[in-house]
Amino acid sequence: ETGVTQTPRHLVMGMTNKKSLKCEQHLGHNAMYWYKQSAKKPLELMFVYSLEERVENNSVPSRFSPECPNSSHLFLHLHTLQPEDSALYLCASSLTGTAYTYEQYFGPGTRLTVT
Amino acid sequence: AQKVTQAQTEISVVEKEDVTLDCVYETRDTTYYLFWYKQPPSGELVFLIRRNSFDEQNEISGRYSWNFQKSTSSFNFTITASQVVDSAVYFCALSETAGTASKLTFGTGTRLQVTL
Repeated sequence: ETGVTQTPRHLVMGMTNKKSLKCEQHLGHNAMYWYKQSAKKPLELMFVYSLEERVENNSVPSRFSPECPNSSHLFLHLHTLQPEDSALYLCASSLTGTAYTYEQYFGPGTRLTVT
Repeated sequence: AQKVTQAQTEISVVEKEDVTLDCVYETRDTTYYLFWYKQPPSGELVFLIRRNSFDEQNEISGRYSWNFQKSTSSFNFTITASQVVDSAVYFCALSETAGTASKLTFGTGTRLQVTL
């Protein structure tokens, strides 16, 4: 596997289900990100992990719960979602630096549909 | 707050035409980075270029070129001799720091359709 992978690629879940999205990066990066992409809206940054520590939580509802067990893996645990949460969820990774901003590399996304 | 504006929602060109995608940004930071990404129908965002605020040199990579003008807060992207494979949504983004990681603020994207 190369780059950033995400599983599953498609997910349909009911509002009472609990599911998890998985992201894995094979680039040796130490920062990971979750983004939400809804139709006709800009990409929204949800969470940022740097060196396995959460450094940003962009006012995301608690029904979304991230987990970063190590620098290569990132999860997004989902529970009691709403239909408006249906979107493409993108994971990204990058190197970190105090004096330099590195580009982020994205996975293919998980297309989530909440019924 | 940072903001990125891509005023062109959709552009349609015929193959071999040149096309310019506009990007205007707002930031109070003196040091910042700008990016362009391509999102083909498969969904994955593909990194194209990073430019920092101190480097106003234009850049050319094959058929792609970028024009960074700090005076007008613009970072425009030109595709020369467009091809059908260039059809995608293109996003401009602006970074700010989040600890040692970065936060990207994206524009709403420009959908480019290249036809034969």
